[in-house]
Amino acid sequence: SQQGEEDPQALSIQEGENATMNCSYKTSINNLQWYRQNSGRGLVHLILIRSNEREKHSGRLRVTLDTSKKSSSLLITASRAADTASYFCATGLMEYGNKLVFGAGTILRVKS
Amino acid sequence: DGGITQSPKYLFRKEGQNVTLSCEQNLNHDAMYWYRQDPGQGLRLIYYSQIVNDFQKGDIAEGYSVSREKKESFPLTVTSAQKNPTAFYLCASSIVSQETQYFGPGTRLLVL
Repeated sequence: SQQGEEDPQALSIQEGENATMNCSYKTSINNLQWYRQNSGRGLVHLILIRSNEREKHSGRLRVTLDTSKKSSSLLITASRAADTASYFCATGLMEYGNKLVFGAGTILRVKS
Repeated sequence: DGGITQSPKYLFRKEGQNVTLSCEQNLNHDAMYWYRQDPGQGLRLIYYSQIVNDFQKGDIAEGYSVSREKKESFPLTVTSAQKNPTAFYLCASSIVSQETQYFGPGTRLLVL
């Protein structure tokens, strides 16, 4: 079964607003990553946060990780129409290499 | 121009036929992965390989086979034993000691 579960399944906002997506997982992890997928395309890595970190920033992206609650959130500030995509969290277990387990994703639509 | 290429972009399979999806990378990555994505769902791991001539089953390996004869190449064969092959197939690669995976553009497999 999938490790990560994302919430909400879909999100529709106006350009300029902030978008927040949440991810919950079930077991211990070494790292949690967020990826973006435009329709019909491959995934693009956005940001990685390790289990000993609580918050990371990259441009308009802010990720938090709460290992006690086994949850993470991705915040996209000042959203743009070009941010329209599906966003996936993936939890990493560095056992044999780095096997990632993906959630079902959040579909974000930014209206201009 | 470095990256991961997948071919073909679309592939049609007839009943009882085996088909092979190509994945090539020139990133000098040791690890390569195959994922399956069904509509509205996250990615599920089919097979992965950390080194040439070695590979491991992922969560949904039944009906699939792989080979890793060269570092750059990790082809996936969808066999006739896979009864529901229609999906979007994504190949990825990574440096073994690092967590981030880099994805190809995907192959969409359809059944005639």
